[in-house]
Amino acid sequence: GENVEQHPSTLSVQEGDSAVIKCTYSDSASNYFPWYKQELGKGPQLIIDIRSNVGEKKDQRIAVTLNKTAKHFSLHITETQPEDSAVYFCAASKGTGFQKLVFGTGTRLLVSP
Amino acid sequence: DAGITQSPRHKVTETGTPVTLRCHQTENHRYMYWYRQDPGHGLRLIHYSYGVKDTDKGEVSDGYSVSRSKTEDFLLTLESATSSQTSVYFCAISVNSAPNTGELFFGEGSRLTVL
Repeated sequence: GENVEQHPSTLSVQEGDSAVIKCTYSDSASNYFPWYKQELGKGPQLIIDIRSNVGEKKDQRIAVTLNKTAKHFSLHITETQPEDSAVYFCAASKGTGFQKLVFGTGTRLLVSP
Repeated sequence: DAGITQSPRHKVTETGTPVTLRCHQTENHRYMYWYRQDPGHGLRLIHYSYGVKDTDKGEVSDGYSVSRSKTEDFLLTLESATSSQTSVYFCAISVNSAPNTGELFFGEGSRLTVL
């Protein structure tokens, strides 16, 4: 089955810096790659996603890139703010009907003022 | 929040006792999921449901059972809780209007401690 690896496990940046979180997946049939943000004491929430027919997608300060050949995808956050501090999860699935997402192990991002 | 309510939000129990966690949704969504979250493992799928009485196993289903007798409720049962089942459990749904978009909406979580 699918296996998703995520790095780094923790990331500390200064406010205004950029942050990059990377994930690799094992199943070449996977075609849907979402990113979730989890704030303390809450459930994860989708922040951006990308499908395998697209190489990059942006939404304001966040962007996701996908390299199908290398089977890796990354989350980029620019101009980080303290409210970006959270745990971020990448995930992958084959996107057929309902979603059986396989998640990475998470990255704890800390943005210091 | 897609109208998802999990109960109880916190529970402490002893090894060997049965535990049932409830996920309730108010918007008639077809697909529901139970995940567990553990440090170093991220979120792992336990069971999922694609309709009333239609359920299937996820990647970590051993020791868990589920039931869905009504669209709005998805129950997760630990028949005989073990310390390895200490975790935070999340219910999730994918909305009917966009079954192939992939977005899951998660509940607030149920923290279970098995002593």
